[in-house]
Amino acid sequence: AQKITQTQPGMFVQEKEAVTLDCTYDTSDQSYGLFWYKQPSSGEMIFLIYQGSYDEQNATEGRYSLNFQKARKSANLVISASQLGDSAMYFCANAGGTSYGKLTFGQGTILTVHP
Amino acid sequence: GAGVSQTPSNKVTEKGKYVELRCDPISGHTALYWYRQSLGQGPEFLIYFQGTGAADDSGLPNDRFFAVRPEGSVSTLKIQRTERGDSAVYLCASSAMTGGDTGELFFGEGSRLTVL
Repeated sequence: AQKITQTQPGMFVQEKEAVTLDCTYDTSDQSYGLFWYKQPSSGEMIFLIYQGSYDEQNATEGRYSLNFQKARKSANLVISASQLGDSAMYFCANAGGTSYGKLTFGQGTILTVHP
Repeated sequence: GAGVSQTPSNKVTEKGKYVELRCDPISGHTALYWYRQSLGQGPEFLIYFQGTGAADDSGLPNDRFFAVRPEGSVSTLKIQRTERGDSAVYLCASSAMTGGDTGELFFGEGSRLTVL
């Protein structure tokens, strides 16, 4: 079973600054994956970044990085140099075993970027 | 098309009616997923197809919900005797990866269902 907790309902950040969105997870699987998705007002879910449970290095994709702390079961998303277009809902998700498309999502964090 | 296409984008129906929601995945993607997103919540898994068969339907809430993918491409989610609690956005996603590998999911923009 998978569980995701996102404790920040909303976050604000100034344009060009960095922001961290928190995510903690719980799983009974030895092998699992952690994901972050962005959902703008259009409703489409956009994949941002993936971290495998056995990956020793934190994942990075452009301005996105995942701060993976396995012992603490946390997978925080760091967005550097925020842009106005980053304003959206952000979801953390995990999947276990061999069913990496069967995602369990958290409740999301609304990020607002101020000019 | 280039992305996952879902129709209709909006559907308003009356309690007790039957609805069908269609998903056209990215060409060549063998894996297809349905999720349901209620207002203010994250998406919840409903069902996963690998090819034509439902590999995992553990997320379907009850037997009023059914999904098919007869030719391994387009999928239809069918809801019988709709209830007001079925109101949500139904998201479809597809992936090129098979089980055992990680894979980015490509989502459509969803079908918003409102049951009056």
